Amino acid sequence: DAKTTQPTSMDCAEGRAANLPCNHSTISGNEYVYWYRQIHSQGPQYIIHGLKNNETNEMASLIITEDRKSSTLILPHATLRDTAVYYCIAWGGGNKLTFGTGTQLKVEL
Amino acid sequence: NAGVTQTPKFQVLKTGQSMTLQCAQDMNHNSMYWYRQDPGMGLRLIYYSASEGTTDKGEVPNGYNVSRLNKREFSLRLESAAPSQTSVYFCASSRTSGGGSDTQYFGPGTRLTVL
Repeated sequence: DAKTTQPTSMDCAEGRAANLPCNHSTISGNEYVYWYRQIHSQGPQYIIHGLKNNETNEMASLIITEDRKSSTLILPHATLRDTAVYYCIAWGGGNKLTFGTGTQLKVEL
Repeated sequence: NAGVTQTPKFQVLKTGQSMTLQCAQDMNHNSMYWYRQDPGMGLRLIYYSASEGTTDKGEVPNGYNVSRLNKREFSLRLESAAPSQTSVYFCASSRTSGGGSDTQYFGPGTRLTVL
């Protein structure tokens, strides 16, 4: 699976959009971009995934650049409960998901 | 629809004791997984079951055994617990284990301490 690079930490004001970047410059054509989050040692929670096109669900939006070398997870109206570690994973399938160090997002009043 | 459930939530063992961690999913998924997460670290795959009746080793299988009891349930057994097995254990499941679009869904975890 391709290596991903994320900022170590980010802050966001409650009610504002949180934009979390991820770089995956060596991603291959069959690898999906996945986002999970982990709130205070709870189980990783699936957020969204995509291959080429931008995706949106009830939790977030995923914007993937045309060359697929980077992506942005957007939480449109961040709340305090969105404070968590967010993991970006480039995954082509198989059995083992590899979680890196992720981005610690802190949502503040 | 509970998703993936795990029992127990917490457990303290003495060195040499044995125990079984239970996992069940109600999403009719074919594939199930056991991971461990040590403090400040990423998840590491212990064992997985691509389909009912099959199990395979992950990257850190030593000291563990698994049983795919049926399609819903996948248990992890520690035969002789060691302090190095102190960790948080997560079970996950996915529709299949093949393609990159087969999302893995995780349970809440079991926090195990071995004294």
